[in-house]
Amino acid sequence: AQSVAQPEDQVNVAEGNPLTVKCTYSVSGNPYLFWYVQYPNRGLQFLLKYITGDNLVKGSYGFEAEFNKSQTSFHLKKPSALVSDSALYFCAVRPPSGGYNKLIFGAGTRLAVHP
Amino acid sequence: DGGITQSPKYLFRKEGQNVTLSCEQNLNHDAMYWYRQDPGQGLRLIYYSQIVNDFQKGDIAEGYSVSREKKESFPLTVTSAQKNPTAFYLCASSPEGGRNEKLFFGSGTQLSVL
Repeated sequence: AQSVAQPEDQVNVAEGNPLTVKCTYSVSGNPYLFWYVQYPNRGLQFLLKYITGDNLVKGSYGFEAEFNKSQTSFHLKKPSALVSDSALYFCAVRPPSGGYNKLIFGAGTRLAVHP
Repeated sequence: DGGITQSPKYLFRKEGQNVTLSCEQNLNHDAMYWYRQDPGQGLRLIYYSQIVNDFQKGDIAEGYSVSREKKESFPLTVTSAQKNPTAFYLCASSPEGGRNEKLFFGSGTQLSVL
């Protein structure tokens, strides 16, 4: 079965330190990969996507993600965390043959950045 | 939230009652989606519509119904058959045929049972 795993329910980081939010997937072929962020009581906002090309993708608010095909991972990173980055982060994967009705979301990782 | 308006923000349902969640978009997107979000779980697709007057069941359609009479509007009805309706409901849209386009989400509706 196709799936997306975010192994950490919560990640705690001190402000100014680098952060990583992990995502691994089990999808056949070359999937499309996405990261979304959700602030409290709000909808999801798109951060970045990987379709093809350079394995390091840059997105909004200084975030980037690294695609690793051999490890089937797409970890979200930021060199220096801000308190305002505290939110719920979702990894999502879409099989190459599917439309958005085939989008698979991870369970989410809560990022807490402490002053 | 990218031109998608969901209302109301909070909604309460009584036993045996049907309730309707509103979703309107002014992005001129052809495709619209309804997701359910439960704590500790990813989003799950309820229904989607790729064009006016057409919609398809998602992974958890039982107990829900939708209509797509206008391009801008995609209301979701939570029927009395849905025995566990308490959740955060998110509406989204995307351009038709945009296989690598991002989804645009509304701010959500929190539905609770009285």
